[in-house]
Amino acid sequence: GESVGLHLPTLSVQEGDNSIINCAYSNSASDYFIWYKQESGKGPQFIIDIRSNMDKRQGQRVTVLLNKTVKHLSLQIAATQPGDSAVYFCAENAGGTSYGKLTFGQGTILTVHP
Amino acid sequence: ETGVTQTPRHLVMGMTNKKSLKCEQHLGHNAMYWYKQSAKKPLELMFVYSLEERVENNSVPSRFSPECPNSSHLFLHLHTLQPEDSALYLCASSRATGSGYTFGSGTRLTVV
Repeated sequence: GESVGLHLPTLSVQEGDNSIINCAYSNSASDYFIWYKQESGKGPQFIIDIRSNMDKRQGQRVTVLLNKTVKHLSLQIAATQPGDSAVYFCAENAGGTSYGKLTFGQGTILTVHP
Repeated sequence: ETGVTQTPRHLVMGMTNKKSLKCEQHLGHNAMYWYKQSAKKPLELMFVYSLEERVENNSVPSRFSPECPNSSHLFLHLHTLQPEDSALYLCASSRATGSGYTFGSGTRLTVV
């Protein structure tokens, strides 16, 4: 079946650096993508989303880039802080259900060193 | 608070016990989900309810029994669990196609 995967399971960065977390998806019918952040002991929290009619979307310190040609999604975090340390999941909505089923990637562990 | 509340936050139960996990949302969402998350592993979808009807059951053992009495509440009834069932159980809800999920904080379950 279709799946969403991640290139890097772990990422370590220094405080103040920019972080890039990547995600590959295989379902060309997917039209909506989301990044979630999960801190230790908590549930995943929404960070930013993007629809397939866009290539880039910016939030506060975060940017999501979508390359539909190569089916690639990335999350960029500017000036990474220790509080950004968490597991980051990408998710896609390929449609086909009445309830908006998402398919999640395996997650990337981001560790920020002070 | 995310708008999705799960109770209890932590649960320790013996293999012969019966317990229930509860999830509640007042976001006006019409779909609710149970996920299992084991340490450093991907999210595993267990059950999906849409408009209070179960629409997905991903080969989950019968020792897990979901219940959705109304659009705001979702339960996961547990009985005769195994130690490998120890995990973080996450509830989520969503509004419609093309929107994301809102997750609860999860119930950390330990089976002894």
